[in-house]
Parts: sequence; C-alpha cells; structure tokens
Amino acid sequence: QPVLTQSSSASASLGSSVKLTCALSSGHSSHTIAWHQQQPEKAPRFLMRLEGSGTYNKGSGVPDRFSGSSSGTDRYLTISNLQSEDEADYYCETWDSHTRVFGGGTKLTVL
Amino acid sequence: EVQLVESGGGLVQPGGSLRLSCSASGFSFSNYWMNWVRQAPGKGLEWVAKIKQDGSDKYYVESVKGRFTISRDNARNSLYLQMNNLRVADTAVYYCARDSFSYTYVDYWGQGTLVTVSS
Repeated sequence: QPVLTQSSSASASLGSSVKLTCALSSGHSSHTIAWHQQQPEKAPRFLMRLEGSGTYNKGSGVPDRFSGSSSGTDRYLTISNLQSEDEADYYCETWDSHTRVFGGGTKLTVL
Repeated sequence: EVQLVESGGGLVQPGGSLRLSCSASGFSFSNYWMNWVRQAPGKGLEWVAKIKQDGSDKYYVESVKGRFTISRDNARNSLYLQMNNLRVADTAVYYCARDSFSYTYVDYWGQGTLVTVSS
C-alpha cells in the first residue's frame, strides 16, 4: 500500500506564501490524494482533492488562497497571503484497494 | 448543511467495551461510504474502518480486526463502531467521516468523541 511522507513542521510569515509537500512512495506516482486542515483543538476539515496531473477540486468554502499542484510522486499544497488562522496541522490522505492512508502531518506556524 | 455528530465516548478499563454512534444529517446518508478515523493524543490521523452504503462490505485497519465492528442503520441515518477488548493504545479521539460521492477520500468530518482506555 502507498506511504505518504510529510515534513513534520513548516513556518512562514504573515502575508507570505508557503508550499507544503506530501511525498508518495515510489510506484504510486499516479495516486490522487486529499489535503485536510486541522486547526488547534478542532476536527479536521477537507481542503481539496489533488490528482497526479495537478488538477484539484476544493471543498466548500475553502478560500482561493489555497491551491494544489503535483510533480511526479510529490503533491503540494500552496497557501498564499498567509493568515493567522492558517496556523494548523495539514494532513494528506490517499487510498489503495480498501485501505486508507494518512501522512504524518505538517505543523504550520505563521510567524 | 452536512453534519456528523459523534457520541458514546468515555473512560473504559482495558479489556472493556464501548459503542460509538454517529448521527448524520444534511445529505442522503444511504448513498455514501462512511468511515471511522481516530487520533491518539498529540498524534496524527489513523483510518480505522469503513462501510459500504448498504453495509455489505466492511474494511478495517489491521490493529482492530477481530475487536472492532463497524455498522450502520440507514433508516436512522446512523453509523456505529462497536469496540471490544479495548487496549490502552486505542485511546484517541474518534471521528466519523464521510467519503465523497464519486471518489475515495473523506470530504466531511464530525467533531469527534474521546475514548480513554485506562485502569
């Protein structure tokens, strides 16, 4: 089954942009993933579905500042014009047959 | 508006049992695969189980096979997780989560219910 690897932490300044990476294990370069955001002490929230082609579909109410892209086995979440409320944990998710896999999550700090 | 509301969490001793419930509203519950996903304190997300629209297919993460049972009642718009022989390692917030209609990923989450397994 696929394995998703995320950096444990990232930081960026208020108003700047940040690009978070979710790396798929080799042999799974075509996998579609989903990105989820979990703000402190809250439940996760679906952000977007992201294909290997780079096509993405966002969830309801997700701001335009959030976008996705892909390159090979890497899937990216870019957040532009960072706001304080973007400080959160970000998880990627994928699936294979009948199992579901989550990455370890990236804790984003907004400076 | 899609809403998923979990209940049934609490404190239980190792070896004990607990039944979680998830009440769904705002969508046609019987048309969707449903999941349970858990998060141990300070840790990441872990998928636990999922169930097909009519309940005919069920899948589990290896660590809960034989101990947990996922089920649903479409007439009541409800999802359940029966947890038996609980272990300290099962301590987590348990989230009810809906799969998207056409694709296999979670598109809505409940607020979670905390299960604490401790003596």
